[in-house]
Amino acid sequence: QKEVEQDPGPLSVPEGAIVSLNCTYSNSAFQYFMWYRQYSRKGPELLMYTYSSGNKEDGRFTAQVDKSSKYISLFIRDSQPSDSATYLCAMRSNRGSTLGRLYFGRGTQLTVWP
Amino acid sequence: EAGVTQSPTHLIKTRGQQATLRCSPISGHTSVYWYQQALGLGLQFLLWYDEGEERNRGNFPPRFSGRQFPNYSSELNVNALELEDSALYLCASSLGSGGQETQYFGPGTRLLVL
Repeated sequence: QKEVEQDPGPLSVPEGAIVSLNCTYSNSAFQYFMWYRQYSRKGPELLMYTYSSGNKEDGRFTAQVDKSSKYISLFIRDSQPSDSATYLCAMRSNRGSTLGRLYFGRGTQLTVWP
Repeated sequence: EAGVTQSPTHLIKTRGQQATLRCSPISGHTSVYWYQQALGLGLQFLLWYDEGEERNRGNFPPRFSGRQFPNYSSELNVNALELEDSALYLCASSLGSGGQETQYFGPGTRLLVL
């Protein structure tokens, strides 16, 4: 079993829709959770960063972490065509043997059409 | 402020050859990370360098190696290239040496092995 599972999509929604992106994971040592956005032919850029369980909101983006279910989500409100990209979840632990290492999902390809 | 830069943007090699990829971190960042993003797969951690030392290594064979220079730039070398090495190679940098800081990614080098 892969440590981080993410449905690759593709996901296609109309402008203004609420988008829900999800990842599940198997390693209970993961404590830090991130969402990156990657436009075509670009490197990933950090969108959201959360520690442990709970919610974090930043503008139209909300990240949720449920450690008891090993499940994280990213919600995008009022989606825009400019949100069209691949969204990658990433996570890491504090354990010495894994320091520096981010574990990524495969990414979900999102298209928002006008 | 300039972001992480990588060169070349594209590289074409034949099986058995060696490839050298380069990365310049954000000014002030001392840690450099390398990831492989093969088609349809998530980013896979390759290497972490900090202050010129290799700090951690992913599950890749020894023909993947690298180094970090005194100016904190880094080089990834892939020897005895195989067809499955074709991928986007991403470099990231972070401030600090603990392996727990936010990683900022460059645009990547796309390697094609024929």
